[in-house]
Amino acid sequence: EPEVTQTPSHQVTQMGQEVILRCVPISNHLYFYWYRQILGQKVEFLVSFYNNEISEKSEIFDDQFSVERPDGSNFTLKIRSTKLEDSAMYFCASGPFRGEGLETQYFGPGTRLLVL
Amino acid sequence: KQEVTQIPAALSVPEGENLVLNCSFTDSAIYNLQWFRQDPGKGLTSLLLIQSSQREQTSGRLNASLDKSSGRSTLYIAASQPGDSATYLCAVRPRGSQGNLIFGKGTKLSVKP
Repeated sequence: EPEVTQTPSHQVTQMGQEVILRCVPISNHLYFYWYRQILGQKVEFLVSFYNNEISEKSEIFDDQFSVERPDGSNFTLKIRSTKLEDSAMYFCASGPFRGEGLETQYFGPGTRLLVL
Repeated sequence: KQEVTQIPAALSVPEGENLVLNCSFTDSAIYNLQWFRQDPGKGLTSLLLIQSSQREQTSGRLNASLDKSSGRSTLYIAASQPGDSATYLCAVRPRGSQGNLIFGKGTKLSVKP
């Protein structure tokens, strides 16, 4: 069964460094998402992406964050200058379509980011 | 602003027991509600999706109901097994959103053999 994959599974970085988290969505999916989950907290929406542009973003997704689909398979989340509070599990998700409530989002296993 | 709440935060039951997990949301303007399972340190697995026009969905031993007008959903697990131990998350997609899911904090279920 097709799955969303994410790399790396764990990343440790120093505060102020740039990190890029990578995702390979399910191949025929058109809609892509990033979420994060700070330890012990709720899963929070960051951004949705369709047709090579951001379709929605949350207040968390400020100028330090960017997303890109550099080729036909990868979907990346970049954090330009990491802060301690960016430490979290980051989940990528994809969906085949976005209808009136019909769609399911498929989540990857996550990248655990630790900022020191 | 849409808020999703799940109670209880944790639940421990003996194997074989039937159980109900609760989810409530503050704004009934939703496209759908999804129940997910999260194993420790792992991703989210979608269990059931209920469209706003539906009342319930079933998959195997799982049954999810939705009462949109009262802002409530329940996940019923029949004949629980130790393998059901996980955190169960409820998420709604608000009407007008571009796919944004709003999650509850989850119920951590432990099924004792």
